[in-house]
Amino acid sequence: DIQLTQSPSFLSASVGDRVTITCRASQGISSYLAWYQQEPGKAPKFLIYAASTLQSGVPSRFSGSGSGTEFTLTISSLQPEDFATYHCQQLNSFPLTFGQGTKLEIK
Amino acid sequence: QEQLVESGGGVVQPGRSLRLSCAASGFTFSSYTLHWVRQAPGKGLEWVALISNDGNDKYYADSVKGRFTISRDNSKNTLYLQMDSLRAEDTAVYYCARAMGSERPLSRYFHYWGQGTLVTVSS
Repeated sequence: DIQLTQSPSFLSASVGDRVTITCRASQGISSYLAWYQQEPGKAPKFLIYAASTLQSGVPSRFSGSGSGTEFTLTISSLQPEDFATYHCQQLNSFPLTFGQGTKLEIK
Repeated sequence: QEQLVESGGGVVQPGRSLRLSCAASGFTFSSYTLHWVRQAPGKGLEWVALISNDGNDKYYADSVKGRFTISRDNSKNTLYLQMDSLRAEDTAVYYCARAMGSERPLSRYFHYWGQGTLVTVSS
């Protein structure tokens, strides 16, 4: 199975900050990676696919990059609604797997 | 707009069975791959199963293989998850999710999600 490791697991930041979350795969997955945002008590929301393509309607302050084994999700200027948990997901091979999540909290 | 609504969750004893349903609307149901994804309390997301748009191809996580069965009825726009021999570790919110399409790689992205249904396995 392909393991995804996100870092950090917890991140404290302020409105307006630029933050970066990293997702590392245990083996190469090309660009077969997605990012999701999950608010407490809600279903995840699809943000980015193919490692760097923004889903329609997602604000441009979100961006993704990477290929192979290392990927990043960057939020250029945090807004209050961005404080949530972020999950990466690989779709290179079965079983489809997720990272453990990164909880982004208000400082 | 696209909508997925899960039902069928509840409290069940270990070893018993439960069937989850996911009613879909707002899109051409038979054109998309569908998934079940679960999330144990306070934990991360875990993919459970996939079914192709025509129902012919199915894939499962090792943790549920042989115990859970995914199926769909394209005439009723409904996805199912039959869960047998339930264990305490199956306790989770179960989400149905629609893929971006029916072919790889689009079939492996979780584009739209339902609100989830809670399954609690406890004696």
